[in-house]
Amino acid sequence: AQSVTQLGSHVSVSEGALVLLRCNYSSSVPPYLFWYVQYPNQGLQLLLKYTTGATLVKGINGFEAEFKKSETSFHLTKPSAHMSDAAEYFCAVRETGTYKYIFGTGTRLKVLA
Amino acid sequence: EPEVTQTPSHQVTQMGQEVILRCVPISNHLYFYWYRQILGQKVEFLVSFYNNEISEKSEIFDDQFSVERPDGSNFTLKIRSTKLEDSAMYFCASNRGTSGNEQFFGPGTRLTVL
Repeated sequence: AQSVTQLGSHVSVSEGALVLLRCNYSSSVPPYLFWYVQYPNQGLQLLLKYTTGATLVKGINGFEAEFKKSETSFHLTKPSAHMSDAAEYFCAVRETGTYKYIFGTGTRLKVLA
Repeated sequence: EPEVTQTPSHQVTQMGQEVILRCVPISNHLYFYWYRQILGQKVEFLVSFYNNEISEKSEIFDDQFSVERPDGSNFTLKIRSTKLEDSAMYFCASNRGTSGNEQFFGPGTRLTVL
C-alpha cells in the first residue's frame, strides 16, 4: 500500500536560510506527488506537483521539489526563507488508478527573525 | 479565481446527533472528495464521488457516513449519529478528474462533538 513519510514534524529556520522539508513515499507504481501548504485556520493550498516529465518542479512562492525515484523522495526546498513561509506543509501521493490522496503527517515550519 | 467553499466553518453538536457538512465545489469539476484531519494528525481520505455515485471510500467511511450531491452545485457529507471521535476538521475537495490534475481544497469545517 502507498504511504508517505515526512521526517521532522517541526522544522525551524532563520529568515533567509535554506528551507528543506523531507518527504519519502512508498508506491508500487509511478506516483503523482504533491506538496500542499496550510496556513492557520485555512484550507490546503497546492504548492507544486509532480506527474510526469521533468523531475525538478517549481511551484509558487519560490518553492521547488525534486522527484528522485531511486531514493523514493520528493523533498521540498526554498533557497531563502521568509517570515510568511511559516505554516504547515503536507506531502501527498496519488497512485495511478486511484484518485485518493495519501498525506504525510505534515511538517510545521517556523521561521525565526 | 474559483474556489471550493464549505459551510459552516465550525459546527458543534451533541453525541448521537446527525450533522450535515456542506460544500460547493468548483463549478466545472467532476470529482468530489471528503477528507478529515483529527487535531494533530494527518489528513485522511474519506470518500470520492463521481457521476452521482461513490467511486472510492476508505475504511473510515462506514455506514454512519453518507454523501450526496443534491443539486448541481452542492456536495454534502452526512454523519448520522456522531461520536466523540468524529471531532475533526473536514475538508472538501474537487478536481476535473484528468490525469495528474490536482485537487482543490476548501477551507474546512471544524466539527466538535460533545
